[in-house]
Amino acid sequence: DAGITQSPRHKVTETGTPVTLRCHQTENHRYMYWYRQDPGHGLRLIHYSYGVKDTDKGEVSDGYSVSRSKTEDFLLTLESATSSQTSVYFCAISESFEPSDGYTFGSGTRLTVV
Amino acid sequence: GQQLNQSPQSMFIQEGEDVSMNCTSSSIFNTWLWYKQDPGEGPVLLIALYKAGELTSNGRLTAQFGITRKDSFLNISASIPSDVGIYFCARMNYGGSQGNLIFGKGTKLSVKP
Repeated sequence: DAGITQSPRHKVTETGTPVTLRCHQTENHRYMYWYRQDPGHGLRLIHYSYGVKDTDKGEVSDGYSVSRSKTEDFLLTLESATSSQTSVYFCAISESFEPSDGYTFGSGTRLTVV
Repeated sequence: GQQLNQSPQSMFIQEGEDVSMNCTSSSIFNTWLWYKQDPGEGPVLLIALYKAGELTSNGRLTAQFGITRKDSFLNISASIPSDVGIYFCARMNYGGSQGNLIFGKGTKLSVKP
């Protein structure tokens, strides 16, 4: 396995509550990414990180924040969860800026906001 | 220009059939990647293409980088039940502080009832 773990794997939360998803890697890769997957939309980038404390927004960043205080952990926070944020969230890692072998993905976190 | 259009959106396969899918864009690219996602798992890289016209195989899978650099094709020969899943094409997007991967919406392969 590539050494990437997402937690929790499943979560149900109420509208308006804060939620934090964690991505942990043991590969010492510089780049980490958060995607969400929804039917009919494929995978869309939320935020990504290119180093400790270095992050940038992706295509669908509204309502999400991220933090990377150490190489191995990349946290995704929903400050006030909404039903539209019900989705499957995937973390990915890569060693280089132009990954010749693509990204390595975690197994996903299924989040339901009720 | 950033969107990737995958077709078909879904298809049913019978064991032993050959399968074809493609991905197109209005912009030209230098890299095409094909991923497969099994149910309940994250996507896994199948094939990466780097040159226009390039044809690359991975077992029963063959992918081609279109000569116009705006499209790519993935073929699966003699399909088997474990081929079911969602297939994504992806390309590099350069913007913001760094690059990242942009994915198509996927082609879902299911087994014919």
